[in-house]
Amino acid sequence: QSALTQPRSMSGSPGQSVTISCTGTSSDVGPYNFVSWYQHHPGKAPKLMIYDVNKRPSGVPDRFSGSKSGNTASLTISGLQAEDEADYYCCSYAGSYTFVFGTGTKVTVL
Amino acid sequence: QVQLVQSGAEVKRPGSSVKVSCKASGDTFSNSGFNWVRQAPGQGLEWMGGIIPIFGTPNYAQKFQGRVTITTDESTRTAYLELRSLRSEDTAMFYCARDGTLRGSYDSWGQGTLVTVSS
Repeated sequence: QSALTQPRSMSGSPGQSVTISCTGTSSDVGPYNFVSWYQHHPGKAPKLMIYDVNKRPSGVPDRFSGSKSGNTASLTISGLQAEDEADYYCCSYAGSYTFVFGTGTKVTVL
Repeated sequence: QVQLVQSGAEVKRPGSSVKVSCKASGDTFSNSGFNWVRQAPGQGLEWMGGIIPIFGTPNYAQKFQGRVTITTDESTRTAYLELRSLRSEDTAMFYCARDGTLRGSYDSWGQGTLVTVSS
């Protein structure tokens, strides 16, 4: 159960788009469409942004979208806003009600 | 929606155990999944284990097998995490998270419980 691989950091100017990758294996991301994404501001609880690869919970702006191809899932933030600056984590089902998180990506809004 | 309230911060000696609670209110309990996630200082989120009360059998990350126990008490709508043989590297914020779809969509989180392991 190794952590999913994410880029350590990404940045963009307000209004731009960023896409965060999340690379797993044929044991977690690959066989299941159960990838979720979390936004985490320091000192606060994480917040669910995407689940089941590309579904948004109510209240999450449609600027956030998810996709998956093979063993890699992606989160795209379109039209970056200052409040999007945070750490983002992917999480994948890995069978038998076990899960694995990604290494986390710090998004900076320039 | 579900509201999750965790027990307070703990300071523990190396080699001891800690038990953290997570009380749920607002939505169904037994049909949800309750998972525990920790974040050590400067590190990322790490899944420790989870349980679906209606099924009862917990599942754990290999890293914590033998050292962790996750249980629930349906009468009080509370989930518990016990971690044994604590070491300094276990110093972390521990979160409980409710999985509403049983597919890893953690839609409600507790406020976190800071566990400090120090001699």
